[in-house]
Amino acid sequence: QQQVKQSPQSLIVQKGGISIINCAYENTAFDYFPWYQQFPGKGPALLIAIRPDVSEKKEGRFTISFNKSAKQFSLHIMDSQPGDSATYFCAALGGGADGLTFGKGTHLIIQP
Amino acid sequence: NAGVTQTPKFQVLKTGQSMTLQCAQDMNHNSMYWYRQDPGMGLRLIYYSASEGTTDKGEVPNGYNVSRLNKREFSLRLESAAPSQTSVYFCASTEGLAGVSEQYFGPGTRLTVT
Repeated sequence: QQQVKQSPQSLIVQKGGISIINCAYENTAFDYFPWYQQFPGKGPALLIAIRPDVSEKKEGRFTISFNKSAKQFSLHIMDSQPGDSATYFCAALGGGADGLTFGKGTHLIIQP
Repeated sequence: NAGVTQTPKFQVLKTGQSMTLQCAQDMNHNSMYWYRQDPGMGLRLIYYSASEGTTDKGEVPNGYNVSRLNKREFSLRLESAAPSQTSVYFCASTEGLAGVSEQYFGPGTRLTVT
């Protein structure tokens, strides 16, 4: 049973545009929702994270929107740049389980 | 401060061979994790260690064993490798309460089993 569903699988955005990646979760006990960025040949690195007591968190060009009632959260990348081209993973933690539960990833390409 | 280091970077095994993947962190973190990453599957937790001296199974533990050698080191062993274990393996660590703070990932070990 996939506990965190991520979409789309791949995304192409023009430079300067907005990239949006969506995730949905099933376990209402999750209480920490990070987004990780991964470049080819590298390990994932934390980009931004949110807890369910807030509906939005912004760090520079990156924003997480969180909808607790719908059990959904999304990553918005404003003014997308070619350097943002990477694979993005949403994840969730909590519910008595240790270790992160990851979505399957979104391969983002920003076209110049 | 090297963060999380993993050895080897690449490995090719034949079915039935054994090997140990090494992981070390120099951030004085309490919790350490092993994940595997397969195309289109995201990362899946194999085993974790919430503190020195403890280990627990994750989502996909079959075919693996782990050892938390000390606070710095957490190894993953494949006793009899199978082609289904071809994957990229990532070690991660976090400080304080397990998982509440940022997990730092190593660069990965790319393993091929033929």
